[in-house]
Amino acid sequence: AQSVTQPDIHITVSEGASLELRCNYSYGATPYLFWYVQSPGQGLQLLLKYFSGDTLVQGIKGFEAEFKRSQSSFNLRKPSVHWSDAAEYFCAVPRGSTLGRLYFGRGTQLTVWP
Amino acid sequence: DGGITQSPKYLFRKEGQNVTLSCEQNLNHDAMYWYRQDPGQGLRLIYYSQIVNDFQKGDIAEGYSVSREKKESFPLTVTSAQKNPTAFYLCASSISRDAMETQYFGPGTRLLVL
Repeated sequence: AQSVTQPDIHITVSEGASLELRCNYSYGATPYLFWYVQSPGQGLQLLLKYFSGDTLVQGIKGFEAEFKRSQSSFNLRKPSVHWSDAAEYFCAVPRGSTLGRLYFGRGTQLTVWP
Repeated sequence: DGGITQSPKYLFRKEGQNVTLSCEQNLNHDAMYWYRQDPGQGLRLIYYSQIVNDFQKGDIAEGYSVSREKKESFPLTVTSAQKNPTAFYLCASSISRDAMETQYFGPGTRLLVL
């Protein structure tokens, strides 16, 4: 079954440092892949998504992600983290042929030190 | 402004009581979803609806029920059969059931058991 794995439960970075959050997927064909962000006590907001074409995807808030088929990865990156980026980040993939159903990873909690 | 509203923000349930969580959207979206979020477990799909008067069970539907009588509304009832209802509940919608479509989330309802 299609799924995603986020290996890092919690990551801490200093403000201004670069960031990479990992996401590995399991999918039979070319997948659609999503990154969402959740601020504490809030709903989720889409950062970016990949469904075809250029493997480097630009998103909101200065985030980008690169689709690497050879590594089954879709890692999220940001060159310089701001304190406001502290949140939980979720990678997601559609559940196979059942359209519209997303499988979410368990999330990576990001803490930003001033 | 278009968006998804969920109410109430906090909800308390007594033993043996059914409670209903509201979800309304004015985005004119066809598809709507209910997720349950527990710490460290990501989001799990409870129910989803791709069109009015139709809905399907997700991964953890036991102890929950839904209705979709209007396009804008997708209420979730947590029944007394749900033995561990304490969680954060998120409603989402997408313009269609297509797997590449973005899901838009409401702010969530936190359900607590007294």
